[in-house]
Amino acid sequence: KNQVEQSPQSLIILEGKNCTLQCNYTVSPFSNLRWYKQDTGRGPVSLTIMTFSENTKSNGRYTATLDADTKQSSLHITASQLSDSASYICVVSWNSGYSTLTFGKGTMLLVSP
Amino acid sequence: SQTIHQWPATLVQPVGSPLSLECTVEGTSNPNLYWYRQAAGRGLQLLFYSVGIGQISSEVPQNLSASRPQDRQFILSSKKLLLSDSGFYLCAWDVKQGRSQPQHFGDGTRLSIL
Repeated sequence: KNQVEQSPQSLIILEGKNCTLQCNYTVSPFSNLRWYKQDTGRGPVSLTIMTFSENTKSNGRYTATLDADTKQSSLHITASQLSDSASYICVVSWNSGYSTLTFGKGTMLLVSP
Repeated sequence: SQTIHQWPATLVQPVGSPLSLECTVEGTSNPNLYWYRQAAGRGLQLLFYSVGIGQISSEVPQNLSASRPQDRQFILSSKKLLLSDSGFYLCAWDVKQGRSQPQHFGDGTRLSIL
């Protein structure tokens, strides 16, 4: 069964600190892995998309890594800001001939002043 | 630039009442369109997707239905709402070319069934 597991479930950090969120998946065959940021009450917004051949991708202070061999990904946030408080969702795309995605439950990040 | 609109933003409906949620996309043509439901503490669940006008695929059996009367319009409906239909409903679109393109989400409709 295709699954995406994220850890931790929630996280509180001080403003200015770094943090790393984890994603493990069992989706097969693999097409790509995406990280989304979802502010409370809003729709998810895409941060990064990585294909099988990419092992790192950055978007400003966000850096995602992918290890397709171990089926793990991480999202590293540098110098956190209050506006980073949100849910971060890991999403894995199947190679099933259509845009079919398996969503993780997300990690809720709270950046405290 | 492309934009996606969903309305209403919030909705409170009694059990057994009908439902109609609307989603429109601007700035692109012939997109794939999706309806998702997000329950508290759970990942997004795909309900319907559409590759073109009048073409609807359902991912899960339910008392909801979807229609695509125009290229950039996607509607989620129900004839009789159940308590279990409560949740956060998200519409999304993406392009047909290439699987490594992101899905773009609307800001959702918070549906509460009483």
